[in-house]
Parts: sequence; C-alpha cells; structure tokens
Amino acid sequence: EVQLVESGGGLVQPGGSLRLSCAVSGFTFSNSWMTWVRQAPGKGLEWVANVKQDGTEKYYVDSVKGRFTISRDNAKNSLYLQMNSLRAEDTAVYYCARDRIDSGTYIDYWGQGTLVTVSS
Amino acid sequence: QSVLTQPPSASGTPGQRVTISCSGSSSNIGSNTVNWYQQFPGTAPKLLIHSHYQRPSGVSDRFSGSRSGTSASLAISRLQSDDEADYYCSAWDDSLNGYVFGTGTKVTVL
Repeated sequence: EVQLVESGGGLVQPGGSLRLSCAVSGFTFSNSWMTWVRQAPGKGLEWVANVKQDGTEKYYVDSVKGRFTISRDNAKNSLYLQMNSLRAEDTAVYYCARDRIDSGTYIDYWGQGTLVTVSS
Repeated sequence: QSVLTQPPSASGTPGQRVTISCSGSSSNIGSNTVNWYQQFPGTAPKLLIHSHYQRPSGVSDRFSGSRSGTSASLAISRLQSDDEADYYCSAWDDSLNGYVFGTGTKVTVL
C-alpha cells in the first residue's frame, strides 16, 4: 500500500522558518520525481516545487523562489521542504505527492497534508 | 496562481450528465497532458483522469476526459450524490516549468 505521511506543520510567526517532512512507503522512492502542492484555506490547489529522482533538478513556483528549498533523502525514503521567510500568504495545507511520467506528466499519489499557519 | 480557467460551479440531478470545462494555453494544455482531480472537503485530492482520458485503476467509467487544442473537459455521466465534490484540472506548463491547476469547480447534485 502506498503511503505518504507529512509532518512538521504548525503555527509560525511571519519571517520564521519551518521544515516539512514526508515519509514515503509502498513504491520505489528513489525512482520517482516528488512534488509539494499547497492549498490555502478555502482556496484552490497550487503547485509549490518538485525534485528529480537524484535531487539534481528542482523547480519552484515563482512566489517561493529564494525562500523555500525542496530536498530528498533516498536512503530514508523521505522528502523535505525547508520554508524560510514565511509570510501570511504561505498559510496552507501542504501536500507531499508523487510525480508520474509515462503516458503523460501527472501527480498520482498524495499524502493527507500538513497545515502551516503563518500568523503573529 | 491559477493559470487554467474552470467554471466555479456545475450541477445536475441524479442520472444526468455534467461537463466541466478547463481552458488553458499553448504552454500547458496545448502541449502537455491534462489531468483531473476530485477533492472532498477536508481530504487530499484524488487522481481521477490522467493523460487527457486515462482512468487509474478503480476509477468509475462514469468519469471521462477529453482535450481539444488548449481546452479540456471532464464529463460525469449517470450523476450520483457522492459525486458532490470539487474538481480540478491540471497540466505541466513549459513556460513556468511547473504544474498549473485550474480554479476548481464545485459539483452539486440537486
């Protein structure tokens, strides 16, 4: 059974930092691109970043470039999102997910999400 | 940033067919595959359709997808009460080098 379990969310003040983790099981983590997607309260989905299997390629949405860093540890089957200089508009549920590239490019498996609240 | 445009709502009675549109551009829908997700309140999105029309194992054949040019659509046939959810389209965008999602459509079963 595929499982993606996020952790590390919580309440943080504006300008603060937080590190999200995602523990993966049920598929070969080292063979998969991985992604973070977020959803602000009552809003739609927004892709945040993704990372190649070996960590050598990373892409970010413009609004987080220079503030967020995606990384992975294939030995630990874990994905991370280091978030610095947090802003109120970063408040959202953050989902860890798997990228799939075969007949097309898509996100297939999702975690349950972890809530990040940026507020003073 | 929602680059793909969807109607905010759609509705139908049980047994009817409902269609949701998704409008994009040449850098996303026009050149990459379209995917659709279903999301119930308080839960993670679920992949419903990938690669324009492919259904993952376990997804009902009442759901179907199509693409034409820079637009796509999701059809739900034989509408059921448990289809009430939010639906999002998505595609990779070559200009932004990232996934883009639609604005989302809330489906209501009357």
